[in-house]
Amino acid sequence: DTEVTQTPKHLVMGMTNKKSLKCEQHMGHRAMYWYKQKAKKPPELMFVYSYEKLSINESVPSRFSPECPNSSLLNLHLHALQPEDSALYLCASSQDQGLVAYGELFFGEGSRLTVL
Amino acid sequence: DQQVKQNSPSLSVQEGRISILNCDYTNSMFDYFLWYKKYPAEGPTFLISISSIKDKNEDGRFTVFLNKSAKHLSLHIVPSQPGDSAVYFCAASVRSGGSNYKLTFGKGTLLTVNP
Repeated sequence: DTEVTQTPKHLVMGMTNKKSLKCEQHMGHRAMYWYKQKAKKPPELMFVYSYEKLSINESVPSRFSPECPNSSLLNLHLHALQPEDSALYLCASSQDQGLVAYGELFFGEGSRLTVL
Repeated sequence: DQQVKQNSPSLSVQEGRISILNCDYTNSMFDYFLWYKKYPAEGPTFLISISSIKDKNEDGRFTVFLNKSAKHLSLHIVPSQPGDSAVYFCAASVRSGGSNYKLTFGKGTLLTVNP
């Protein structure tokens, strides 16, 4: 299994809603990532978990709350989002955070979020 | 300020010809450069990379060239095939502490290979 699975594929939420994006991998990878990609922009790193501990937080607003319940799962909890948070949210994983430099970063298909 | 720049949003080439995708960067601390390919409704997938101490890396039809003095890299695809039509992202890695790295991506270039 070489897949990173993200659910849901599409999510529409209001600014007062609380929702979550989920990501799962069964490749035994110990690092997991959230990226945000807006239209015509590059994917931007949000968070990195390494060995289930938060390794990088790229100064993301607290309305985005990551959670790594175990090495196979990564969640992104969403609360009080703004319309400008509408984007494609990509999850990725790697065997180790140090292997990212060699292309060992596997992405899911993404969750398309629309905030009304 | 973007540290990795892909100034061509799109490129169209004929099947069998060479595709050249360009990328510029500003951070001299980048130590690896990568190209990712993305089809619609799929996540990006790794294509090829190059270390900052090399100037060329080749893998089949794909070759990446690095010009450190110009802070420029390019991806050559020869010969181009219709299945190569996708968005190509240039990315660069930098140490984020210890032996960990993080990637910075460019905006991407949409390559269309016409039969």
